[in-house]
Amino acid sequence: DQQVKQISPSLSVQEGRISILNCDYTNSMFDYFLWYKKYPAEGPTFLISISSIKDKNEDGRFTVFLNKSAKHLSLHIVPSQPGDSAVYLCAARSSGDKLTFGTGTRLAVRP
Amino acid sequence: GAVVSQHPSWVICKSGTSVKIECRSLDFQATTMFWYRQFPKQSLMLMATSNEGSKATYEQGVEKDKFLINHASLTLSTLTVTSAHPEDSSFYICSATIGSSNYGYTFGSGTRLTVV
Repeated sequence: DQQVKQISPSLSVQEGRISILNCDYTNSMFDYFLWYKKYPAEGPTFLISISSIKDKNEDGRFTVFLNKSAKHLSLHIVPSQPGDSAVYLCAARSSGDKLTFGTGTRLAVRP
Repeated sequence: GAVVSQHPSWVICKSGTSVKIECRSLDFQATTMFWYRQFPKQSLMLMATSNEGSKATYEQGVEKDKFLINHASLTLSTLTVTSAHPEDSSFYICSATIGSSNYGYTFGSGTRLTVV
């Protein structure tokens, strides 16, 4: 039973446009959500997070939106840059500080 | 920022041998370290949680006698894959937190284990 799902395995976006990466979850006990950027054979790098008591968090070009009623969150990157091309992982925190990850979405930003 | 160093980055071993993977927090003291593994086209799966000076807590389905975790200091945790088999071939990653995870999780660069 996959508690964190990233349904779209890949996304291709034109440079300068908005990238929207989606994530769904099933466990209502998750209290914190995080987005990571990952390259092959490397560990994830933290991007942005959001507490379950908020619905939006913004950091520069990155904004995360949380819709608790829909158990859905999204990461918006605007404007997208070629350097943003990577795999993006959605993660959710539960008790004991454990993280549950989605399978990731590969973003390709075309110049 | 916080840095976690993980070694080796890749290792090939023969079936039946043991392999040790090290995870070090370089500029902070990690009260909790987590070990994950990732199979191809799957998500990172938590294997175990370790707190300095205490026994690791393993996730369901992870054999504690096969995956030995030692967290003897606040800067070092090790994962030993004992009697490795080809099905243990995977990408193993550690992460560390400082106190409350609201300070964030820092990940190592991962270890690609291939058992032949």
